[in-house]
Amino acid sequence: QVQLQESGPGLVKPSETLSLTCTVSGASINNYYWNWIRQSPGKGLEWIGYISYAGTTKYEPSLSSRVTISSDTSKNQFSLHLFSVTAADTAVYYCVREHLSLWAFDIWGQGTLVTVSS
Amino acid sequence: EIVLTQSPATLSLSPGERATISCRASQTVNTYLAWYQQRPGQAPRLLIYNASNRATGTPARFSGSGSGTDFTLTISSLEPEDFAVYYCQQRGTWPPWTFGQGTKVEI
Repeated sequence: QVQLQESGPGLVKPSETLSLTCTVSGASINNYYWNWIRQSPGKGLEWIGYISYAGTTKYEPSLSSRVTISSDTSKNQFSLHLFSVTAADTAVYYCVREHLSLWAFDIWGQGTLVTVSS
Repeated sequence: EIVLTQSPATLSLSPGERATISCRASQTVNTYLAWYQQRPGQAPRLLIYNASNRATGTPARFSGSGSGTDFTLTISSLEPEDFAVYYCQQRGTWPPWTFGQGTKVEI
Protein backbone atom coordinates (compact mmCIF):
# COMPACT_ATOMS: atom_id res chain seq x y z
CA GLN A 1 0.00 0.00 0.00
CA VAL A 2 1.01 3.63 -0.39
CA GLN A 3 2.97 5.07 2.52
CA LEU A 4 4.48 8.48 3.15
CA GLN A 5 7.18 9.10 5.75
CA GLU A 6 8.45 12.50 6.87
CA SER A 7 12.02 12.93 8.06
CA GLY A 8 14.09 15.85 9.27
CA PRO A 9 15.17 17.77 12.38
CA GLY A 10 12.68 18.13 15.19
CA LEU A 11 14.25 21.35 16.44
CA VAL A 12 15.16 24.41 14.40
CA LYS A 13 16.52 27.73 15.65
CA PRO A 14 14.74 31.00 14.90
CA SER A 15 15.80 32.64 11.62
CA GLU A 16 17.14 29.34 10.28
CA THR A 17 15.69 27.03 7.61
CA LEU A 18 13.28 24.20 8.29
CA SER A 19 13.94 21.30 5.93
CA LEU A 20 11.86 18.14 5.72
CA THR A 21 11.83 15.23 3.28
CA CYS A 22 8.97 12.90 2.47
CA THR A 23 9.77 9.43 1.21
CA VAL A 24 7.01 7.84 -0.83
CA SER A 25 6.60 4.08 -1.12
CA GLY A 26 4.00 2.16 -3.08
CA ALA A 27 3.41 4.93 -5.61
CA SER A 28 5.45 7.00 -8.02
CA ILE A 29 5.77 10.74 -7.48
CA ASN A 30 5.55 11.00 -11.26
CA ASN A 31 1.82 10.77 -10.69
CA TYR A 32 -0.45 12.79 -8.39
CA TYR A 33 0.22 16.06 -6.57
CA TRP A 34 2.38 16.05 -3.45
CA ASN A 35 1.58 18.45 -0.65
CA TRP A 36 2.81 19.74 2.67
CA ILE A 37 0.24 20.60 5.32
CA ARG A 38 0.92 21.72 8.88
CA GLN A 39 -0.96 21.88 12.14
CA SER A 40 0.12 24.15 14.96
CA PRO A 41 -0.31 22.69 18.47
CA GLY A 42 -3.99 22.59 19.33
CA LYS A 43 -4.93 24.34 16.10
CA GLY A 44 -6.39 23.54 12.71
CA LEU A 45 -4.85 22.52 9.41
CA GLU A 46 -2.93 24.84 7.09
CA TRP A 47 -2.04 23.95 3.51
CA ILE A 48 1.54 25.01 2.68
CA GLY A 49 1.88 24.05 -0.96
CA TYR A 50 2.33 21.31 -3.52
CA ILE A 51 4.57 20.03 -6.26
CA SER A 52 2.89 18.32 -9.15
CA TYR A 53 3.88 15.24 -11.11
CA ALA A 54 5.12 17.68 -13.77
CA GLY A 55 7.24 19.63 -11.29
CA THR A 56 5.04 22.71 -11.06
CA THR A 57 4.58 24.24 -7.63
CA LYS A 58 1.91 26.29 -5.87
CA TYR A 59 2.17 27.82 -2.43
CA GLU A 60 -0.02 29.40 0.24
CA PRO A 61 0.34 33.12 -0.55
CA SER A 62 1.22 34.12 3.01
CA LEU A 63 4.14 31.68 2.98
CA SER A 64 5.21 31.91 -0.66
CA SER A 65 8.15 34.27 0.00
CA ARG A 66 9.67 31.79 2.48
CA VAL A 67 8.88 28.35 1.07
CA THR A 68 10.21 26.02 -1.59
CA ILE A 69 8.98 22.53 -2.42
CA SER A 70 11.14 20.32 -4.60
CA SER A 71 11.29 16.68 -5.66
CA ASP A 72 13.84 13.99 -6.41
CA THR A 73 12.27 11.45 -8.73
CA SER A 74 15.28 9.14 -8.55
CA LYS A 75 14.64 8.70 -4.82
CA ASN A 76 10.85 9.04 -5.02
CA GLN A 77 11.02 11.85 -2.49
CA PHE A 78 9.84 15.42 -2.19
CA SER A 79 11.04 18.09 0.20
CA LEU A 80 9.96 21.23 2.03
CA HIS A 81 12.23 24.15 2.79
CA LEU A 82 10.84 26.97 4.96
CA PHE A 83 13.21 29.87 5.43
CA SER A 84 13.60 32.40 8.25
CA VAL A 85 11.45 30.49 10.68
CA THR A 86 9.93 31.88 13.85
CA ALA A 87 8.13 30.33 16.81
CA ALA A 88 4.90 30.67 14.81
CA ASP A 89 6.21 27.96 12.47
CA THR A 90 6.21 25.38 15.28
CA ALA A 91 3.81 22.69 14.12
CA VAL A 92 3.29 19.09 13.10
CA TYR A 93 4.18 18.90 9.41
CA TYR A 94 2.44 16.33 7.22
CA CYS A 95 3.35 15.21 3.74
CA VAL A 96 0.20 14.34 1.85
CA ARG A 97 -0.81 12.92 -1.52
CA GLU A 98 -3.54 14.61 -3.49
CA HIS A 99 -5.44 12.21 -5.72
CA LEU A 100 -6.54 14.14 -8.78
CA SER A 101 -9.53 11.95 -9.51
CA LEU A 102 -10.81 12.57 -6.01
CA TRP A 103 -9.64 16.21 -5.73
CA ALA A 104 -8.81 15.41 -2.10
CA PHE A 105 -5.92 14.50 0.16
CA ASP A 106 -6.19 10.74 0.28
CA ILE A 107 -2.89 9.55 1.80
CA TRP A 108 -1.18 11.26 4.76
CA GLY A 109 2.15 10.71 6.44
CA GLN A 110 2.13 10.23 10.19
CA GLY A 111 3.41 13.78 10.68
CA THR A 112 6.52 15.13 12.33
CA LEU A 113 6.68 17.79 15.04
CA VAL A 114 9.08 20.63 14.33
CA THR A 115 9.76 23.05 17.16
CA VAL A 116 11.31 26.44 16.50
CA SER A 117 13.30 27.48 19.54
CA SER A 118 16.74 28.69 20.46
CA GLU B 1 -8.93 33.06 -0.49
CA ILE B 2 -12.00 30.95 0.17
CA VAL B 3 -12.93 30.81 3.86
CA LEU B 4 -14.71 27.75 5.21
CA THR B 5 -16.80 28.18 8.36
CA GLN B 6 -17.84 25.06 10.26
CA SER B 7 -20.60 24.82 12.81
CA PRO B 8 -20.91 23.96 15.55
CA ALA B 9 -17.41 24.13 17.02
CA THR B 10 -18.26 21.34 19.44
CA LEU B 11 -21.00 18.72 19.31
CA SER B 12 -21.77 16.83 22.52
CA LEU B 13 -23.64 13.61 21.78
CA SER B 14 -24.02 10.02 22.94
CA PRO B 15 -23.25 6.81 21.06
CA GLY B 16 -26.12 5.92 18.77
CA GLU B 17 -27.15 9.53 18.19
CA ARG B 18 -27.05 11.37 14.88
CA ALA B 19 -24.37 13.99 14.25
CA THR B 20 -24.75 16.80 11.73
CA ILE B 21 -21.88 19.16 10.91
CA SER B 22 -22.18 22.17 8.63
CA CYS B 23 -19.54 23.76 6.43
CA ARG B 24 -20.18 27.04 4.63
CA ALA B 25 -17.84 28.47 1.97
CA SER B 26 -17.33 32.20 1.39
CA GLN B 27 -17.74 31.59 -2.35
CA THR B 28 -18.79 28.68 -4.46
CA VAL B 29 -16.57 25.60 -4.60
CA ASN B 30 -19.02 23.61 -6.75
CA THR B 31 -18.68 20.12 -5.24
CA TYR B 32 -14.92 20.28 -4.62
CA LEU B 33 -15.39 19.74 -0.91
CA ALA B 34 -13.89 16.99 1.23
CA TRP B 35 -14.32 15.89 4.82
CA TYR B 36 -11.63 14.48 7.10
CA GLN B 37 -11.63 12.82 10.51
CA GLN B 38 -8.78 13.34 12.96
CA ARG B 39 -8.44 11.26 16.09
CA PRO B 40 -6.08 12.40 18.89
CA GLY B 41 -2.43 11.87 18.01
CA GLN B 42 -3.23 10.76 14.46
CA ALA B 43 -3.07 12.27 11.01
CA PRO B 44 -6.34 13.27 9.38
CA ARG B 45 -8.12 10.61 7.34
CA LEU B 46 -10.16 11.26 4.22
CA LEU B 47 -13.84 10.37 4.73
CA ILE B 48 -15.75 12.08 1.92
CA TYR B 49 -14.65 13.59 -1.40
CA ASN B 50 -16.49 15.59 -4.05
CA ALA B 51 -19.02 16.54 -1.36
CA SER B 52 -20.85 13.23 -1.24
CA ASN B 53 -18.60 10.34 -2.22
CA ARG B 54 -17.35 8.03 0.51
CA ALA B 55 -13.63 7.29 0.37
CA THR B 56 -12.42 3.71 0.42
CA GLY B 57 -13.00 2.28 3.88
CA THR B 58 -15.44 4.94 5.04
CA PRO B 59 -18.39 3.30 6.80
CA ALA B 60 -21.85 3.79 5.32
CA ARG B 61 -23.02 5.68 8.41
CA PHE B 62 -21.03 8.66 7.11
CA SER B 63 -22.67 10.73 4.39
CA GLY B 64 -21.97 14.07 2.79
CA SER B 65 -24.23 16.44 0.91
CA GLY B 66 -24.32 19.91 -0.59
CA SER B 67 -22.95 21.96 -3.43
CA GLY B 68 -21.95 25.54 -4.09
CA THR B 69 -21.42 27.11 -0.66
CA ASP B 70 -23.33 24.92 1.81
CA PHE B 71 -22.30 21.42 2.81
CA THR B 72 -23.19 18.90 5.49
CA LEU B 73 -21.50 15.85 6.99
CA THR B 74 -23.88 13.45 8.72
CA ILE B 75 -23.03 10.50 10.93
CA SER B 76 -26.26 8.53 11.18
CA SER B 77 -25.52 6.65 14.41
CA LEU B 78 -22.38 7.45 16.36
CA GLU B 79 -19.99 4.66 17.20
CA PRO B 80 -17.39 5.07 19.99
CA GLU B 81 -14.59 5.46 17.43
CA ASP B 82 -16.39 8.38 15.75
CA PHE B 83 -15.69 10.78 18.61
CA ALA B 84 -13.01 12.91 16.97
CA VAL B 85 -12.45 16.21 15.18
CA TYR B 86 -13.86 16.70 11.69
CA TYR B 87 -12.60 19.15 9.08
CA CYS B 88 -13.98 20.25 5.76
CA GLN B 89 -11.60 21.29 2.97
CA GLN B 90 -12.14 23.00 -0.36
CA ARG B 91 -10.31 22.43 -3.58
CA GLY B 92 -11.57 25.25 -5.75
CA THR B 93 -10.19 26.41 -9.03
CA TRP B 94 -7.12 28.14 -7.64
CA PRO B 95 -4.90 27.75 -4.56
CA PRO B 96 -4.76 28.14 -1.66
CA TRP B 97 -6.68 25.10 -0.61
CA THR B 98 -8.26 25.84 2.76
CA PHE B 99 -9.72 23.95 5.69
CA GLY B 100 -12.52 24.72 8.07
CA GLN B 101 -11.57 25.34 11.69
CA GLY B 102 -12.80 21.92 12.78
CA THR B 103 -15.73 20.46 14.72
CA LYS B 104 -15.08 18.35 17.77
CA VAL B 105 -17.60 15.56 18.32
CA GLU B 106 -17.40 14.62 21.98
CA ILE B 107 -19.23 12.26 24.27
